[in-house]
Amino acid sequence: KNQVEQSPQSLIILEGKNCTLQCNYTVSPFSNLRWYKQDTGRGPVSLTIMTFSENTKSNGRYTATLDADTKQSSLHITASQLSDSASYICVVSARGGYQKVTFGIGTKLQVIP
Amino acid sequence: DADVTQTPRNRITKTGKRIMLECSQTKGHDRMYWYRQDPGLGLRLIYYSFDVKDINKGEISDGYSVSRQAQAKFSLSLESAIPNQTALYFCATGGRTNDYNEQFFGPGTRLTVL
Repeated sequence: KNQVEQSPQSLIILEGKNCTLQCNYTVSPFSNLRWYKQDTGRGPVSLTIMTFSENTKSNGRYTATLDADTKQSSLHITASQLSDSASYICVVSARGGYQKVTFGIGTKLQVIP
Repeated sequence: DADVTQTPRNRITKTGKRIMLECSQTKGHDRMYWYRQDPGLGLRLIYYSFDVKDINKGEISDGYSVSRQAQAKFSLSLESAIPNQTALYFCATGGRTNDYNEQFFGPGTRLTVL
């Protein structure tokens, strides 16, 4: 069964600090991995997408990495801001049709002053 | 104006009642989706539609039905609501030539079934 596991489940950091969120998956055959940010009370918004051949991709202060061999991805947030407080969801798609998209539970990040 | 809108945003109802959640989009996308989100669980797909004449069941379609009234409108119905359908419901859209299934989500509808 395709699975996506994220860690930690929750995280509290001080404003200005960096943090890294992890995503491990067992989805096969792999197509792509996407990180979404979900603010409280809102729908998820895509941050980055990574395909099999990509190792690193950045979007401002967000940098995602992918190791397709170990089936792991990370999302690194640099110089955190209060507005980074949200849930971050890892979503992995398998080849072969839309039904083969698996969502992680998410990591809830709280940035405090 | 928001690209993907959902109505109502909040709804409290009783067991056995029929409920309809509505979704509209102005993005011009062909593909529309309904998900539910529960605490401690990832988003789960209920139904999806790749065009007006195409409706597909997702992972957890039992107890739900949908209607694609137009390219821009996709509604979700609970024919006889039950308490374990209490959840946050999201509508999402995606284009036919969309980059690797990117989804654009609405703001969500919080449904409580008593």
